Amino acid sequence: QLQLQESGPGLVKPSQTLSLTCGVSGGSMSSGAYFWSWIRQPPGKGLEWIGYTDHSGSTYYNPSIKSRVTISVARSKNQFSLKLTSVTAADTAVYYCARTFTTFGVATYFDYWGRGTLVTVSS
Amino acid sequence: EIVLTQSPGTLSLSPGERATLSCRASQSVSSNLAWYQQKPGQAPRLLIYDASSRASGIPDRYSGSGSGTDFTLTISRLEPEDFAVYYCHQYGTSSCSFGQGTKLEI
Repeated sequence: QLQLQESGPGLVKPSQTLSLTCGVSGGSMSSGAYFWSWIRQPPGKGLEWIGYTDHSGSTYYNPSIKSRVTISVARSKNQFSLKLTSVTAADTAVYYCARTFTTFGVATYFDYWGRGTLVTVSS
Repeated sequence: EIVLTQSPGTLSLSPGERATLSCRASQSVSSNLAWYQQKPGQAPRLLIYDASSRASGIPDRYSGSGSGTDFTLTISRLEPEDFAVYYCHQYGTSSCSFGQGTKLEI
């Protein structure tokens, strides 16, 4: 059974960089059949897709935060990472990593999710 | 960006009743739409993909329909564990998006 697990600091100061890692177990990230995504959810609010990477390291980001986001993959460790720069209180959210099913190389739905990790931006 | 509008915002029903949730897209997404269920403190769970295909392990009381801009999630006979928040998600463009959610409450 595929499992994803987010890890990283739960508290980040404003203007600093948020860094999270998602460890994947029970399956390999090397398959080209999937992309690997980050999604976030501010407390009490809805879901926002941040971006995803494929097995080769190609990335696709939400245009609304593209200028601050970097997603990278470490296939040898079976994990991928998120960096979000210049954070503000508006970036406080539960951050989820998820596997993205692909059809003909196009991203579709999220079929496996991590449990999520709350990141609070505060001084 | 494609905007998804879900209605109603909150749906109050009782176990055994039928629930009908709506998701409308600001432009056509063909059948590139999924539905997720989220319970408090948990990650979303995939219910329906490609508008009408049930994900693995999802009971057959859940069904999805629609294409283009109008989609429906139907729960035929509500069980106590069905009370949660439901999100639609479109992947018809390179930048996917979610609806704001419908809360299904007792």
